[in-house]
Amino acid sequence: GAGVSQTPSNKVTEKGKYVELRCDPISGHTALYWYRQSLGQGPEFLIYFQGTGAADDSGLPNDRFFAVRPEGSVSTLKIQRTERGDSAVYLCASSQGQGYNEQFFGPGTRLTVL
Amino acid sequence: AQTVTQSQPEMSVQEAETVTLSCTYDTSENNYYLFWYKQPPSRQMILVIRQEAYKQQNATENRFSVNFQKAAKSFSLKISDSQLGDTAMYFCAFTCAIGGTSYGKLTFGQGTILTVHP
Repeated sequence: GAGVSQTPSNKVTEKGKYVELRCDPISGHTALYWYRQSLGQGPEFLIYFQGTGAADDSGLPNDRFFAVRPEGSVSTLKIQRTERGDSAVYLCASSQGQGYNEQFFGPGTRLTVL
Repeated sequence: AQTVTQSQPEMSVQEAETVTLSCTYDTSENNYYLFWYKQPPSRQMILVIRQEAYKQQNATENRFSVNFQKAAKSFSLKISDSQLGDTAMYFCAFTCAIGGTSYGKLTFGQGTILTVHP
């Protein structure tokens, strides 16, 4: 079956603009995670959905970041008023049940804010 | 707070030899899970091996095995018979349930770049 997919694979935007990053999890996976990975670093947790609800959004850096998963499948990470410091690879992962199960990662979206 | 530390930024090994990557973590929780993930240059993160903290037996997956020392909070990865395809960034990661909440986020270390030389 298909793995986790993310679109776009690359996004270049200007400082101050709004961006949306999309994640399609593996079909049937109830848990979905967003991470942010800066160059040469490990991924940092942003938000975790269990079904449609955000079970843990403690990693969102500020109120410019928001994520939704309205039907318990596809998720969108939204960033308002982008800043140069938001430049990173945004990774999405999904898992069956809780996070102690294997998380399957997508290829990521590389966001560059000019 | 939970932290994961990988003290080796880079490692190299000759093909067919054995290499060990180090990881230490800090937590006050008793029930948790530890993982090693591999991230090749293609960027796709892949699970290598998983260990439940309540299991004393070290996990093994083919050429990959771990040395889990719970008291020392150490979780090293041993790769035997290294292959060129093992060249990648390796991340140690941790998850636990806090205060009755479900397991969710992974906390990652800084990563170790492993290069396998022919």
